Amino acid sequence: EAQVTQNPRYLITVTGKKLTVTCSQNMNHEYMSWYRQDPGLGLRQIYYSMNVEVTDKGDVPEGYKVSRKEKRNFPLILESPSPNQTSLYFCASSLRQGEAFFGQGTRLTVV
Amino acid sequence: GENVEQHPSTLSVQEGDSAVIKCTYSDSASNYFPWYKQELGKRPQLIIDIRSNVGEKKDQRIAVTLNKTAKHFSLHITETQPEDSAVYFCAASNGGGADGLTFGKGTHLIIQP
Repeated sequence: EAQVTQNPRYLITVTGKKLTVTCSQNMNHEYMSWYRQDPGLGLRQIYYSMNVEVTDKGDVPEGYKVSRKEKRNFPLILESPSPNQTSLYFCASSLRQGEAFFGQGTRLTVV
Repeated sequence: GENVEQHPSTLSVQEGDSAVIKCTYSDSASNYFPWYKQELGKRPQLIIDIRSNVGEKKDQRIAVTLNKTAKHFSLHITETQPEDSAVYFCAASNGGGADGLTFGKGTHLIIQP
């Protein structure tokens, strides 16, 4: 089954404790992105990648890192999480100019 | 960069009536305009998209129109049903795909029985 898989689905952590949210897709898509969703603000792009070893900042990249060592994986790293990073996070993948497929979402709470 | 404005933020319609959601974009280079539906607690899913070489596209009860000159596009849902209740997002991109989508803030569509 074609899918984008994120883990974990839910995470509560403390300020400053490094964490990684994983994202994996099995559709051989070149393009992958991370978004955060906050009430009233819609979906805002954090980082995106157009291929292996190619990443670029989106609209809200501060406090986040990503890597694209393999085509299928695009982890999101929070080196020192803060409460303002409490949000719902979505990973997405696609072919160029194609439908973006979203993962199930990761609800992160930073206390 | 691209900026997408979406209106209204909330739309309540009677079951069976039509619903229209409107978006404007700022970057004249944008050429791909998808619409996503997000049901409560679920991921966004594509319901329809349109490219800049087309003015209108229909899929059963759903249609999207694009006015490149005015830089706006709209989602039309006819004969609304309870299962149409969701948050709808428009987006624009000049590269398409998961790399370059800029989303509107969303419209919460409520279908009244």
